[in-house]
Amino acid sequence: SAVISQKPSRDICQRGTSLTIQCQVDSQVTMMFWYRQQPGQSLTLIATANQGSEATYESGFVIDKFPISRPNLTFSTLTVSNMSPEDSSIYLCSVGGGLDRELFFGEGSRLTVL
Amino acid sequence: AQSVTQLDSQVPVFEEAPVELRCNYSSSVSVYLFWYVQYPNQGLQLLLKYLSGSTLVKGINGFEAEFNKSQTSFHLRKPSVHISDTAEYFCAVIRLEDTGRRALTFGSGTRLQVQP
Repeated sequence: SAVISQKPSRDICQRGTSLTIQCQVDSQVTMMFWYRQQPGQSLTLIATANQGSEATYESGFVIDKFPISRPNLTFSTLTVSNMSPEDSSIYLCSVGGGLDRELFFGEGSRLTVL
Repeated sequence: AQSVTQLDSQVPVFEEAPVELRCNYSSSVSVYLFWYVQYPNQGLQLLLKYLSGSTLVKGINGFEAEFNKSQTSFHLRKPSVHISDTAEYFCAVIRLEDTGRRALTFGSGTRLQVQP
């Protein structure tokens, strides 16, 4: 299993500002993902964070809005840029756990944009 | 493309009663299937998974699920629920050919509300 720590756990931000969320894993992992969970909804994959190369974004998500860094195999950041109230969500970091395909999740970062 | 459908957005049930949370998937290829639980203000925790083998899968907290390939279903069951089972439950799928990416597609979730 993997233990995932996310910071901040929650934040309240002003419209037009940016926030960077950090994800730290207690072991080296190949695959890291960022998900968004809007209020009362399911999880939507934002992107796959690739170590040493640009992240792979899903349809509807772009690098300018959600820049991602992955400097090593235990750490990643997601930035939510130029925020609007529609960006109010829980953002979850997830890592792939070996051959059994299980994904492990952090506790999420709850973002509220005013 | 693959998709996951959870037919019930909310399921109210009395304590100690049995419960079934429904999940159907659509995929033309073989898949791996998962159920995750999300307790209030927490992240997701794996309940159980089907990768291969026996179609009846047992998970944590007394939950089990049955993979039915002909009906493309993976319903979650528990014979007797507790108040502490109140949570959001998500069904998820990954196609075998996508395992290089290992990203899951999630259903919309089912809110299980256990009443005393």
